[in-house]
Amino acid sequence: DTGVSQNPRHKITKRGQNVTFRCDPISEHNRLYWYRQTLGQGPEFLTYFQNEAQLEKSRLLSDRFSAERPKGSFSTLEIQRTEQGDSAMYLCASSPETDGDQYFGPGTRLLVL
Amino acid sequence: DAKTTQPTSMDCAEGRAANLPCNHSTISGNEYVYWYRQIHSQGPQYIIHGLKNNETNEMASLIITEDRKSSTLILPHATLRDTAVYYCIGTGRRALTFGSGTRLQVQP
Repeated sequence: DTGVSQNPRHKITKRGQNVTFRCDPISEHNRLYWYRQTLGQGPEFLTYFQNEAQLEKSRLLSDRFSAERPKGSFSTLEIQRTEQGDSAMYLCASSPETDGDQYFGPGTRLLVL
Repeated sequence: DAKTTQPTSMDCAEGRAANLPCNHSTISGNEYVYWYRQIHSQGPQYIIHGLKNNETNEMASLIITEDRKSSTLILPHATLRDTAVYYCIGTGRRALTFGSGTRLQVQP
């Protein structure tokens, strides 16, 4: 399968713990995006990378959130000191530089107890 | 990003065309109209996009009015697998702003 992959697919954690999610984009895509989706709502943009550079961050990305894409390939999204309000689906997408169409992964569903 | 307005839900009979409307009266000249859909428990899937002209691909057709204030996504022969939430997005940015979308239920 050459699509966007995300791991883990599901994560249950206790409030206050740190969690890290991984996204592997389509190999030739140099743009990578993170979104968050809560139940019944559309996805909300969090941040965007072009190669290893983080070019845009939403105000939704609080200080507890950090995203990296160290070699311009895979990306990680870390949430520190998780809160119950962080419970959501975290979606990753990628796109080639010459095309705006974003290809989404299956998401990581986070539940904070 | 342009503010978009879509019906909350629509039904369509299997095999018939599904026509999903979207109003984007505040869209600016350099903003594209994108359509994505999200099948339950999956990530969104790109369908089609356009700027001024009508567009067609293997999944759907996109009809944009001449004043660009509205558009219609057409699924020519809806199947049960087309049951999903359909999002219309007007943007010139990299980041997509999803609204609440239209929940399309294809009935057998």
